[in-house]
Amino acid sequence: DAKTTQPNSMESNEEEPVHLPCNHSTISGTDYIHWYRQLPSQGPEYVIHGLTSNVNNRMASLAIAEDRKSSTLILHRATLRDAAVYYCILRDVGAGGTSYGKLTFGQGTILTVHP
Amino acid sequence: NAGVTQTPKFQVLKTGQSMTLQCAQDMNHEYMSWYRQDPGMGLRLIHYSVGAGITDQGEVPNGYNVSRSTTEDFPLRLLSAAPSQTSVYFCASSYSFSSGREQYFGPGTRLTVT
Repeated sequence: DAKTTQPNSMESNEEEPVHLPCNHSTISGTDYIHWYRQLPSQGPEYVIHGLTSNVNNRMASLAIAEDRKSSTLILHRATLRDAAVYYCILRDVGAGGTSYGKLTFGQGTILTVHP
Repeated sequence: NAGVTQTPKFQVLKTGQSMTLQCAQDMNHEYMSWYRQDPGMGLRLIHYSVGAGITDQGEVPNGYNVSRSTTEDFPLRLLSAAPSQTSVYFCASSYSFSSGREQYFGPGTRLTVT
């Protein structure tokens, strides 16, 4: 899988928007951009994914740069429950063998939300 | 839907003991997988299954066995536990292994081998 780069940590205040960046300069045309988060002592949780166009769902928005070399996860109004490690992951349609369905979790961004 | 469930939540084993970690999903997902998470190392894929009766190895399969007799269940067996298998184990499921599909994770089993 292509590599992603995220800041180690970010901080936000409750009820403010949060923009979590991810750089993926070596992304291929068939890589989907996925975001997952992991709250303390819980399993990873799917947040959102996209290929080329910006995406919105009930949890967040995903803004994808026109050249696809970067993306931003947007939490519109952070809550204390959004404090977690956020992972930006690229998944290739062609991955097979021992990589079938594999999600490659890097270090992620630790998001701290202040009351 | 209960989603992905895992039992037990916690387990302590002695070296050499065997046990089975249970995973079940009620979403009729074809793809299921097992990961382990060690401090500072991220999640690593152990085994996966693309449907009932079909399993294959991931990155770190040694010491683990799996089977998939039904769509719902995907148990992970530790054959002879070793301290190196102390970890948190997560089961995940997805409609398919396609890269355009989201995956759903269980709450995890925290295993300690002494």
